[in-house]
Amino acid sequence: GENVEQHPSTLSVQEGDSAVIKCTYSDSASNYFPWYKQELGKRPQLIIDIRSNVGEKKDQRIAVTLNKTAKHFSLHITETQPEDSAVYFCAASDSSGSARQLTFGSGTQLTVLP
Amino acid sequence: GAGVSQSPSNKVTEKGKDVELRCDPISGHTALYWYRQSLGQGLEFLIYFQGNSAPDKSGLPSDRFSAERTGGSVSTLTIQRTQQEDSAVYLCASKWQGSYEQYFGPGTRLTVT
Repeated sequence: GENVEQHPSTLSVQEGDSAVIKCTYSDSASNYFPWYKQELGKRPQLIIDIRSNVGEKKDQRIAVTLNKTAKHFSLHITETQPEDSAVYFCAASDSSGSARQLTFGSGTQLTVLP
Repeated sequence: GAGVSQSPSNKVTEKGKDVELRCDPISGHTALYWYRQSLGQGLEFLIYFQGNSAPDKSGLPSDRFSAERTGGSVSTLTIQRTQQEDSAVYLCASKWQGSYEQYFGPGTRLTVT
């Protein structure tokens, strides 16, 4: 089955700086890579996703890059703000059938220091 | 519209007791997932329902765990003879068939004493 590793487990940045979180996956057939943000005590929410037919996707201050050859993808947050502080999870789709079961990384606690 | 809801939000139970956790998916979502999130950990897949197909139970950690989905809507996750290691947040998610994005509920925090 799919295995997703995520680094770093914790990340502190100064407000205004950029933050980068990296994930690797094992199943070369995986084709969908979402990123979820989970604020303390709240439910995970999708912030951006990428599919295997593109290498980069941007949405305002957030971008995700995908390297299929190396089987890794990254989340980039620019001009960080205190409200970006949360746990971020990457995931990869299990491509078996139509289940699109997600395998999650272990999460990154991002703290943006004012 | 209403999102995914779960009940109860918190459950404290004694070791050895059975518990039932409920999930109400978004109306019209045919796919439903259960995940477990232990403290400081990622989301661990438990079970998946898609329409009337047989559920994918490959993530259930033991035979003490079971789930059902009635009428293609509400789902119940049952944990029998609870153990302390079952303490975690149990999250439910749903999505449209053929779509990618999973919508999560707020979770049930289970504490086994």
